[in-house]
Amino acid sequence: AQKVTQAQTEISVVEKEDVTLDCVYETRDTTYYLFWYKQPPSGELVFLIRRNSFDEQNEISGRYSWNFQKSTSSFNFTITASQVVDSAVYFCALSAMDSSYKLIFGSGTRLLVRP
Amino acid sequence: DVKVTQSSRYLVKRTGEKVFLECVQDMDHENMFWYRQDPGLGLRLIYFSYDVKMKEKGDIPEGYSVSREKKERFSLILESASTNQTSMYLCASSEPTGLAGALYEQYFGPGTRLTVT
Repeated sequence: AQKVTQAQTEISVVEKEDVTLDCVYETRDTTYYLFWYKQPPSGELVFLIRRNSFDEQNEISGRYSWNFQKSTSSFNFTITASQVVDSAVYFCALSAMDSSYKLIFGSGTRLLVRP
Repeated sequence: DVKVTQSSRYLVKRTGEKVFLECVQDMDHENMFWYRQDPGLGLRLIYFSYDVKMKEKGDIPEGYSVSREKKERFSLILESASTNQTSMYLCASSEPTGLAGALYEQYFGPGTRLTVT
């Protein structure tokens, strides 16, 4: 069975702090894809990143970085120097070979960045 | 610019009513999806469609049906609304699955918050 766990329900930080959102996944497939989406207060989920299981290289995009570790089945997301505009709900999701049309979402982490 | 639109942002219906939620995408995507989002549960897939008139059940299809008569439009139907269908409903679209099952990113609409009283 495939599963995504985001253990942090809500995180509150002060602006300019670094924050890491955790994501742990379960799958028996050797080929799979991991995603992060952001849901701002407007409600529309915004795609942030997709990684496949064969590429464990960490990725950095501006203030965002992602740490993919197959050994611990984790795909964590770090925001450096957080800003108020980063306040949103963040979802981690998994798609594995035997459910190629389906995204399995975690329950989401609500991030509040206070000025 | 990529665009997925949903017919209503907020909707209030009575128990037993038939409810239609409409979704339109302008990206010529093959795949379209309906999810519901509930606190603590994330997004759960209700139905998806990979082509016109084609549909597949997702994880929680009970109480719902769908219609896809045109490529750009995917409708979610609540045949007889019940209070446990009060939720946020999100529509999404994506390119077809690629090589080795690669799943392309999904583009989401703004959601419809449905309240059934």
